[in-house]
Amino acid sequence: DAKTTQPNSMESNEEEPVHLPCNHSTISGTDYIHWYRQLPSQGPEYVIHGLTSNVNNRMASLAIAEDRKSSTLILHRATLRDAAVYYCILSAGGTSYGKLTFGQGTILTVHP
Amino acid sequence: NAGVTQTPKFQVLKTGQSMTLQCAQDMNHNSMYWYRQDPGMGLRLIYYSASEGTTDKGEVPNGYNVSRLNKREFSLRLESAAPSQTSVYFCASRLRLAESTDTQYFGPGTRLTVL
Repeated sequence: DAKTTQPNSMESNEEEPVHLPCNHSTISGTDYIHWYRQLPSQGPEYVIHGLTSNVNNRMASLAIAEDRKSSTLILHRATLRDAAVYYCILSAGGTSYGKLTFGQGTILTVHP
Repeated sequence: NAGVTQTPKFQVLKTGQSMTLQCAQDMNHNSMYWYRQDPGMGLRLIYYSASEGTTDKGEVPNGYNVSRLNKREFSLRLESAAPSQTSVYFCASRLRLAESTDTQYFGPGTRLTVL
């Protein structure tokens, strides 16, 4: 399975944008890039996913490099509720049945 | 709409005891999953069920069995619990409508301690 590399931790101030990087140099052509986050003492929560094009939803934006070897999750205005562990995950298309392989993720701290 | 529910929330077992973790979803999803999360680590897939009537091993299946009882329910059984199975267990179900919609919904977790 293709692996992802994320910084262990990042910090941000409230109401500022946050850019969370992810490297996935061994990504294959059919791998989707998913982002989930996990708030303290909760199960993970879906954030966003994409294949090749940049994606936007109400929670965040996903910027995917042209060669797809890296991507960035963008939180446009961080709030205290965005403090969580953010996981960048590659999920193979086709018959992978949606299996997700979680790494250790990035711990995001948001300061008031 | 309760989403994904798990029972129990907490459990303490002695080594060698058995137990079943229950998971149910009310979203009519085909695929369901069991993960475990050890302290400070990401989640690891134990077993999954792509559809009713099928189950397959994930990354760490040893010591576990699963049953996909019907479309709603997917249970995880520990036949002879070991301290190494102390973990938080998460169940998830998957909604996939098209490439643009592919989301796993997770339950609140079961915190299991094996003494």
